[in-house]
Amino acid sequence: GESVGLHLPTLSVQEGDNSIINCAYSNSASDYFIWYKQESGKGPQFIIDIRSNMDKRQGQRVTVLLNKTVKHLSLQIAATQPGDSAVYFCAETDSSYKLIFGSGTRLLVRP
Amino acid sequence: GAGVSQSPSNKVTEKGKDVELRCDPISGHTALYWYRQSLGQGLEFLIYFQGNSAPDKSGLPSDRFSAERTGGSVSTLTIQRTQQEDSAVYLCASSFADEQYFGPGTRLTVT
Repeated sequence: GESVGLHLPTLSVQEGDNSIINCAYSNSASDYFIWYKQESGKGPQFIIDIRSNMDKRQGQRVTVLLNKTVKHLSLQIAATQPGDSAVYFCAETDSSYKLIFGSGTRLLVRP
Repeated sequence: GAGVSQSPSNKVTEKGKDVELRCDPISGHTALYWYRQSLGQGLEFLIYFQGNSAPDKSGLPSDRFSAERTGGSVSTLTIQRTQQEDSAVYLCASSFADEQYFGPGTRLTVT
């Protein structure tokens, strides 16, 4: 299913640079947060998650930062590659299953 | 192993007709979710099945929408008397623990 919209916020980065995608969440009771990547014509793909008892979690080339004070979540992608081009969604939940998704950010990687 | 599959991948229907969308979750996953994604939007939770428990239908937008899950596996989302505002991508996900695995979605177009 195609997910990309015409008016999504867009982040354009040079290949090899680091990318930072931001997300503000709404529910102060949310205790679990996930970042998803969605390529055109595909469903969202899990990237990384973090629980509210942490403020940073690292994966392979990705880092998620959580600031509960200002209800802000960010996804950092190191050495961005063309294959990272996609729409990125943050999601939050206070129930572990009913995810509330943000509206998404389109990442474009310039060669 | 196989991921979550959905059928059909695309469905065009006339306003007023009923449609059925199918989801085959990953084998062994006890939880199944339906989401709707409109153009340029994040995912909107529709319904959640967990084992033999009563489903959480709190996200269904109207009584024209219903879903069932037979034998704890395959799920069907039915939309009766479709309206143009029902046009969207309908995504299914399944999980065993926290991480939800998404299918590719069914793009529904109501003309």
